[in-house]
Amino acid sequence: QSVLTQPPSVSAAPGQRVTISCSGSNSNIGNNDVSWYHQLPGTAPKLLIYDDNKRPSGVPDRFSGSKSGTSATLAITGLQAADEATFYCAAWDASLSAVMFGGGTKLTV
Amino acid sequence: QVQLVQSGAEVKKPGASVKVSCTASGYTFINYDITWVRQAAGQGLEWVGWMNPNSGNTGYAQKFKGRVILTRDTSISTAYMELRSLTSEDTAIYYCSRTGPGRRIVPLPVEYWGQGTQVSVSS
Repeated sequence: QSVLTQPPSVSAAPGQRVTISCSGSNSNIGNNDVSWYHQLPGTAPKLLIYDDNKRPSGVPDRFSGSKSGTSATLAITGLQAADEATFYCAAWDASLSAVMFGGGTKLTV
Repeated sequence: QVQLVQSGAEVKKPGASVKVSCTASGYTFINYDITWVRQAAGQGLEWVGWMNPNSGNTGYAQKFKGRVILTRDTSISTAYMELRSLTSEDTAIYYCSRTGPGRRIVPLPVEYWGQGTQVSVSS
């Protein structure tokens, strides 16, 4: 059971908007930056969002991140079939001195 | 461009040890932390530990403490993860990765990932 809680799966139609939640605590999300990763089957994860809401170069602005209190949210607009992947949130946990990953959310478009 | 190239797949017997290498290129090796993450088949990402290649300082997930050692050879820009007393539950893909963008206080976010190394433990 992960310290960061994500829904196991979400789905939406092409063109629509979907959100993925990541719930934690004050020792992790509440006081540390959140990053998001997406992973296609058989490939390494890729950084999607960092420092709660920043996008690395090359990541479309259809992807956005936000945080409120001890929860973070990844939003994807204009869904495309190519967006189908598993998404993970991550944050540093100061109490455990460890990196925490969420359990992952599989997106179906 | 930044690249992290890992050593090849390993097959080990229970109780044995495995050492995975991660050779970095395209940046100054000592300037960014290296983080190790593993993923069992069909499962999520699990953090193993991190290392500061400049100081050699390390941090490990509680479940791996005493069983994993992270080291580096700065002369060849290579990081190593050694995992001992293997069991079937250690069967997974092990990824090395680099923090960024920019210098970080904690080993997140992970900006670059290696291709992964499959470690299989079976009698």
